[in-house]
Amino acid sequence: GEDVEQSLFLSVREGDSSVINCTYTDSSSTYLYWYKQEPGAGLQLLTYIFSNMDMKQDQRLTVLLNKKDKHLSLRIADTQTGDSAIYFCAERYSGGYQKVTFGTGTKLQVIP
Amino acid sequence: DAGVIQSPRHEVTEMGQEVTLRCKPISGHDYLFWYRQTMMRGLELLIYFNNNVPIDDSGMPEDRFSAKMPNASFSTLKIQPSEPRDSAVYFCASSLGLAGHNEQFFGPGTRLTVL
Repeated sequence: GEDVEQSLFLSVREGDSSVINCTYTDSSSTYLYWYKQEPGAGLQLLTYIFSNMDMKQDQRLTVLLNKKDKHLSLRIADTQTGDSAIYFCAERYSGGYQKVTFGTGTKLQVIP
Repeated sequence: DAGVIQSPRHEVTEMGQEVTLRCKPISGHDYLFWYRQTMMRGLELLIYFNNNVPIDDSGMPEDRFSAKMPNASFSTLKIQPSEPRDSAVYFCASSLGLAGHNEQFFGPGTRLTVL
């Protein structure tokens, strides 16, 4: 079945790099996403990667995709207190449907 | 655009009462999703619509839950009768078509408490 797994919690010091990891099960996923949820708010798309890519960089964010191991990671460079949030990994399946499965979310705590 | 609009933002009700949650998707979006978020289960997809037609309702927990989309700009999620275990934050999201990465835009959520 479809399953996306993440560790529940990550704590880093301000200025360090954060790496949030995710594993997924569907090898036919087309897009993989990272969403961010700030307290009291809905999820917001942070970045995404198409399945034929293995890396994507966007300012402080780097997404790495290992299709063989079905592993996705999000690296945040120079982590700031404003990066404290819950980060959700998600995968979208092939077949033209919009169904996206979200992971359990990783709560990132940035210590000043 | 104001984004996805949900109402109410907070709802407190007693067990056995009917609860109706409302959502207005972003204009022009043809997909609408209802999610439930709890500490225990994380974010669960309940149902989604395409062009107002329900496509997949396999996530709806039981018959007490029903969702409708009478037109492109409005959807409801109804729980009747409500139970304490339905307490959660319910999110509505919308997205546009099949091309591209199809970002889902989330509303602010409705926090439901069933006493």
